[in-house]
Amino acid sequence: GQQLNQSPQSMFIQEGEDVSMNCTSSSIFNTWLWYKQDPGEGPVLLIALYKAGELTSNGRLTAQFGITRKDSFLNISASIPSDVGIYFCAGRGGSQGNLIFGKGTKLSVKP
Amino acid sequence: ETGVTQTPRHLVMGMTNKKSLKCEQHLGHNAMYWYKQSAKKPLELMFVYSLEERVENNSVPSRFSPECPNSSHLFLHLHTLQPEDSALYLCASSFGRREQFFGPGTRLTVL
Repeated sequence: GQQLNQSPQSMFIQEGEDVSMNCTSSSIFNTWLWYKQDPGEGPVLLIALYKAGELTSNGRLTAQFGITRKDSFLNISASIPSDVGIYFCAGRGGSQGNLIFGKGTKLSVKP
Repeated sequence: ETGVTQTPRHLVMGMTNKKSLKCEQHLGHNAMYWYKQSAKKPLELMFVYSLEERVENNSVPSRFSPECPNSSHLFLHLHTLQPEDSALYLCASSFGRREQFFGPGTRLTVL
C-alpha cells in the first residue's frame, strides 16, 4: 500500500532555532495535512494544503505543498519549549481516498 | 463540550472482558473514523463511517466491532482482545473527506 516517508524521525534543538521536517510519497497526493500530537492527547490539525506549490502559514509554522505533488515541508521558526511534541504529516491521493500518515517527527526543545 | 470527545481516556481490561469505547463529535461532521496508534507505527485506519453507514473496514479482526447510531456518535465494542491490541485508540470526524479532527484517544491496556 501507499506509504509516506517522514524525516527526520527525531530532532533535538535549542530554543530559538528554526526547525524543518518533510514528507515524501511514491505517488501523487492532492491533499497534505500537518498535525501535532502532545503526550497523552490526540493529533491536532496545524495546516491543510490543497494545491501544488501552495505555501501556508499558521503563526510561526509554515508548510508547503511540493510542486511535484509528492512531498510537503513543515518549518517552525524561533522554536519555543511548547513546540515539543510529535509532528505528523498526512496525505490523500484522491478526493475520496483515505488519509495516509507518516510515522512522525519527535521534536525536543532545550530551553 | 466542543470538538471530538472520547471516553474513557484510559481502560485496562482482561482478555475475557467486554468493553466499549465511545466517541462523540460536536462539529456537525458527517463522517467518523476509528484509528489505532501503536508505538513506532503510523496511524492505522480501522473503520470509516459516512452518513452512519460503514464504508471501510480495513481487515480488522472481528473482536473489534464498531457501531454508529447517528452522525454524532461512534462506538467501538471490544471482546476477547489480545495483549497486542494494547494501543491508543483515536476517533476522528470530518465533513465529507476533508481534514479530520481527532479526539484525545483512549489508552487501552489488555492484560
